[in-house]
Amino acid sequence: QQPVQSPQAVILREGEDAVINCSSSKALYSVHWYRQKHGEAPVFLMILLKGGEQKGHEKISASFNEKKQQSSLYLTASQLSYSGTYFCEVSGNTGKLIFGQGTTLQVKP
Amino acid sequence: EPEVTQTPSHQVTQMGQEVILRCVPISNHLYFYWYRQILGQKVEFLVSFYNNEISEKSEIFDDQFSVERPDGSNFTLKIRSTKLEDSAMYFCASRATGRWYGYTFGSGTRLTVV
Repeated sequence: QQPVQSPQAVILREGEDAVINCSSSKALYSVHWYRQKHGEAPVFLMILLKGGEQKGHEKISASFNEKKQQSSLYLTASQLSYSGTYFCEVSGNTGKLIFGQGTTLQVKP
Repeated sequence: EPEVTQTPSHQVTQMGQEVILRCVPISNHLYFYWYRQILGQKVEFLVSFYNNEISEKSEIFDDQFSVERPDGSNFTLKIRSTKLEDSAMYFCASRATGRWYGYTFGSGTRLTVV
């Protein structure tokens, strides 16, 4: 079952914050977050495992809520370089990997 | 910084032909993956490979597809009897052992079936 990402698209001004959510109808074991710029390969941002830990990567952090079967990606003080499509990839206890449909983020000056 | 290398960057093939997409994962990585992305759509998982065997595969990865690690460095994806709908960007990825490591993707092979 494909995870559902919301919102589908976000437009920000430089310096603004954004939250991207990734929800699954099934129990999650791990969540990976990636950013993909147009015409390029996805770039790994971070991984979160069962346990609800929050991780950070520069001004980008994420949380994993097992009860809600949801992960959220937080982008603070956005920069132009943050523009791209953000994907979550989830796995359940079978290890099967499924990408969300993506959230397009556009940061304007 | 270590890279995953994919060749060719672009492959054009006639419908019904067989293609082999090649990948050189990062040398100390033990987990290997193939993904597919049709133009304008999301990334789709095809197959994962560990210890010289397939560990997981998606519904897309049917008998038309096969993977192989013919030597210590290459990881290949073979697509038999290509169809128009196989046209996509194919990404190879590899990962180190350990819970906290994410995947490093190659730059992809754009496959065009005509």
